[in-house]
Amino acid sequence: SQQGEEDPQALSIQEGENATMNCSYKTSINNLQWYRQNSGRGLVHLILIRSNEREKHSGRLRVTLDTSKKSSSLLITASRAADTASYFCATVPSRQGGKLIFGQGTELSVKP
Amino acid sequence: DSGVTQTPKHLITATGQRVTLRCSPRSGDLSVYWYQQSLDQGLQFLIQYYNGEERAKGNILERFSAQQFPDLHSELNLSSLELGDSALYFCASSRDSSPLHFGNGTRLTVT
Repeated sequence: SQQGEEDPQALSIQEGENATMNCSYKTSINNLQWYRQNSGRGLVHLILIRSNEREKHSGRLRVTLDTSKKSSSLLITASRAADTASYFCATVPSRQGGKLIFGQGTELSVKP
Repeated sequence: DSGVTQTPKHLITATGQRVTLRCSPRSGDLSVYWYQQSLDQGLQFLIQYYNGEERAKGNILERFSAQQFPDLHSELNLSSLELGDSALYFCASSRDSSPLHFGNGTRLTVT
């Protein structure tokens, strides 16, 4: 079963614009992670935010976490064509060890 | 390059057959995870091993089995294959609770 659900399922923007993707999850978590997947390739870890953190930055990425709403958002600023990929949120549910559960992903297309 | 190696990259086989997918984790990583990715089911967690022992189980069918060997490489065995088993199978590795490092997957096609 899926723990996280991303919204929107697909997003198309112009280069230079910001892209925002949202993720909702169902159970309490230890941390939430965002991954990126280029077509047909393995996933690449982008950023991890712990349950006691509210916001985290890494380069052009900004992640927020609201545990009361069980939601997170990923903001990519000043997007580039090379950002075109699928983005997944993944959670480690509390008391389930290291099992990382992925959402369905947001397909981002950045047009030059 | 994530440091996780999966072989083979592509596999085409017939229904009813059995295949073995292989994964070499990143150097120093004790945990190995297997995921199945298909268009209709998304990315499904199958199973996790830690230092040779099964640690967590997900939506893994009884026809599927896995193991992690003393040298930490892992194999995923899929038997009595069905058309619906066609998917990308990913292996990932990690140290403790750190983020996962994924291989580039094995694309399985069952005809």
